[in-house]
Amino acid sequence: EAGVTQSPTHLIKTRGQQATLRCSPISGHTSVYWYQQALGLGLQFLLWYDEGEERNRGNFPPRFSGRQFPNYSSELNVNALELEDSALYLCASSLAAKDTQYFGPGTRLTVL
Amino acid sequence: GQNIDQPTEMTATEGAIVQINCTYQTSGFNGLFWYQQHAGEAPTFLSYNVLDGLEEKGRFSSFLSRSKGYSYLLLKELQMKDSASYLCAVRDWSGGYNKLIFGAGTRLAVHP
Repeated sequence: EAGVTQSPTHLIKTRGQQATLRCSPISGHTSVYWYQQALGLGLQFLLWYDEGEERNRGNFPPRFSGRQFPNYSSELNVNALELEDSALYLCASSLAAKDTQYFGPGTRLTVL
Repeated sequence: GQNIDQPTEMTATEGAIVQINCTYQTSGFNGLFWYQQHAGEAPTFLSYNVLDGLEEKGRFSSFLSRSKGYSYLLLKELQMKDSASYLCAVRDWSGGYNKLIFGAGTRLAVHP
């Protein structure tokens, strides 16, 4: 069974640009979560999508947004990029909201 | 508020036993997870506790005391490949909103 996949692996942008990160959950999983892991810091919860709806978001500004598609894949958009947005962005999926979350390999975003 | 504490670094010898502690404070506790994360890789699921007591899974065991807000991960018969960061995460289900709150991680170095 394929795990969570994310693309791209690496992304380099400049300040002010927009970044789009993509995630495909494990087949059958309907919940998708996004986390930010800045260098040397713990994972910070960004967003939770379930059945196509945003269910919860962490303490991040509105320029972090996303969506979940009918096939349960998800997209994270970061607008007006700032240097401190440089981090590993991890996507996780779970069968249902209260089930274990399984992580993808991440997208490393570098903002220059 | 929400807070998760775990030691920043630990070292141990190959073949030995190591215990990684985690204390937490959260309003809507709904389970505690341990993940392993090798450098530059995605976190991988190790264990889940929602009730008090010990859960054993091969060389890894995890313990939970909800009244004390305390958990530990026990690794036996340490191998070099166990050198990684170990992440304690608490599921918070406040107001029906689901999110995982991660500690900063404990970096374990296993020496021959």
